[in-house]
Amino acid sequence: AQSVTQLDSQVPVFEEAPVELRCNYSSSVSVYLFWYVQYPNQGLQLLLKYLSGSTLVKGINGFEAEFNKSQTSFHLRKPSVHISDTAEYFCAVSEYGGGADGLTFGKGTHLIIQP
Amino acid sequence: ETGVTQSPTHLIKTRGQQVTLRCSSQSGHNTVSWYQQALGQGPQFIFQYYREEENGRGNFPPRFSGLQFPNYSSELNVNALELDDSALYLCASSSETRPETQYFGPGTRLLVL
Repeated sequence: AQSVTQLDSQVPVFEEAPVELRCNYSSSVSVYLFWYVQYPNQGLQLLLKYLSGSTLVKGINGFEAEFNKSQTSFHLRKPSVHISDTAEYFCAVSEYGGGADGLTFGKGTHLIIQP
Repeated sequence: ETGVTQSPTHLIKTRGQQVTLRCSSQSGHNTVSWYQQALGQGPQFIFQYYREEENGRGNFPPRFSGLQFPNYSSELNVNALELDDSALYLCASSSETRPETQYFGPGTRLLVL
């Protein structure tokens, strides 16, 4: 079975500063990796995904993530954050070919943008 | 292209009652998954339906059950509600060609008193 660890429950950042949200996963097989964002009182929106190919993945709203197989990590980055990026961010994993087992999520990281 | 929709948005029930939550999949998607998100936690997988059959289930008791209809809309039923069932229930749909990429609805917030 797979698991996801998001190392930081909260990350405060000043507006226009860069940010990195950390995600590590554990799985005995190949995986697909995802980042979702959840704004207050809303559902989850897909930011980006890694399925195969290039390890650097670009998503919406200027976010990108890098898959590192040796470190079993999939950290999310943005070079310059805005107030509107304040939200909860979830890293998720799905085992390759195991779509019927659903996504396994981390506990989330609350990104707090300070003016 | 319409996204995933869920109804109702909010619901209050009492312990022991039964509840039905509804979901309409994104256009062209024939797979639906349901998740439970407790306050301050990440979503947890309940089960998945494909072509009207349950084809995957997480660690939830049998009182959590579901249905998928020919138009790919779906229901989540929870019997004998417990206080711990209070949560945001999320529905997600995906396509046959990309079942791992799931698109979520806005959720139904259930409060059990």
